Amino acid sequence: DSGVTQTPKHLITATGQRVTLRCSPRSGDLSVYWYQQSLDQGLQFLIHYYNGEERAKGNILERFSAQQFPDLHSELNLSSLELGDSALYFCASSVAPRGASGTEAFFGQGTRLTVV
Amino acid sequence: AQSVTQLDSQVPVFEEAPVELRCNYSSSVSVYLFWYVQYPNQGLQLLLKYLSGSTLVKGINGFEAEFNKSQTSFHLRKPSVHISDTAEYFCAVTSNYGGSQGNLIFGKGTKLSVKP
Repeated sequence: DSGVTQTPKHLITATGQRVTLRCSPRSGDLSVYWYQQSLDQGLQFLIHYYNGEERAKGNILERFSAQQFPDLHSELNLSSLELGDSALYFCASSVAPRGASGTEAFFGQGTRLTVV
Repeated sequence: AQSVTQLDSQVPVFEEAPVELRCNYSSSVSVYLFWYVQYPNQGLQLLLKYLSGSTLVKGINGFEAEFNKSQTSFHLRKPSVHISDTAEYFCAVTSNYGGSQGNLIFGKGTKLSVKP
């Protein structure tokens, strides 16, 4: 158990809908990262939050957004869903303050999103 | 920007045989390197990491990796594999500099299949 909790584990929804994925980081971790894993794209970095502030954006679509709340949990919002958004979405957390890249990131078990 | 190439998408091997999973990276700045393992329907678990110092890094489950700066490689090895090592293995790179700012950039993964 990594200590990172993601809910729900599975989500099936229709095209055009909006969903919210939730992540609770390990106790004491201030950084939260979101990744998308799909068969064709592999593991893609989406976005990074540190202590409530957005720090970096990767290959995140405009239809997707995220936030980190004062209690440090994070939510990834996916809207106007398309079939191609079906993927495994991972959250990871680390202690790392900005720039301390050597610290380990701990991954949750992911949310499997299926868009039908 | 950093990038990672895992040269083999699938590696079949017999139990108790040695294995090497290859990883090459590209970066114009100094990097940190990681190997993660993903068992079926699980999140990613850190096997080992190279931050600095000795180029031979030992990790969990008997795995080790060697950082070779001149060849920009970070190959993962195990002298004798077990059935339980069957999983997908991801090489990842990050840096304190440039666009990644601590975010992990992953390779496409190598599926290790250990046969009895």
